[in-house]
Amino acid sequence: NAGVTQTPKFRVLKTGQSMTLLCAQDMNHEYMYWYRQDPGMGLRLIHYSVGEGTTAKGEVPDGYNVSRLKKQNFLLGLESAAPSQTSVYFCASSYAGGLNEQYFGPGTRLTVT
Amino acid sequence: AQTVTQSQPEMSVQEAETVTLSCTYDTSESDYYLFWYKQPPSRQMILVIRQEAYKQQNATENRFSVNFQKAAKSFSLKISDSQLGDAAMYFCAYRTQGGSEKLVFGKGTKLTVNP
Repeated sequence: NAGVTQTPKFRVLKTGQSMTLLCAQDMNHEYMYWYRQDPGMGLRLIHYSVGEGTTAKGEVPDGYNVSRLKKQNFLLGLESAAPSQTSVYFCASSYAGGLNEQYFGPGTRLTVT
Repeated sequence: AQTVTQSQPEMSVQEAETVTLSCTYDTSESDYYLFWYKQPPSRQMILVIRQEAYKQQNATENRFSVNFQKAAKSFSLKISDSQLGDAAMYFCAYRTQGGSEKLVFGKGTKLTVNP
């Protein structure tokens, strides 16, 4: 079991460029999440999905789009990157809600210059 | 909206001693779930312990235990017999009921363990 994997691990973008972050999980989890972590801010939810084909906005969705075409994959897109999107991005998945653990990927460090 | 507050940005403890990390939260829900996650320098988020709000008994996992005070909306983490490997950022998180089942995180406490 690889658990939750994220691609790429590091990326540097210029302002205005676009990119897609890929999250994959092999645990057959229904729920998947994208968070961003900024210094002194903890983790904040960007978008989430409660099943294949569904997505919804989290706390800080502006500037991001997501897609969940396959149950095991959750993609996070930046259409026109801005310096304010410099952050570490974490993907997570869980079997269900409640007391079920959210499993996190290793993170992607994105720098926008 | 639910909020989670960790009032101690940094804490330190001597190896083998006990330390308590504070967490308070704000919610109008009566049933919910609380978690402590650890983030070592590797950046990997690791679940430490979890608690259901309707359970009175405090959760325990080896050297880690919580003091859950529902009326006070407090969920502190106690680490006993601290080890060098416990050094990390610790995040308290609240999980909503129904809908997104998302986690709302506090800003974290950086724990240093001194040899």
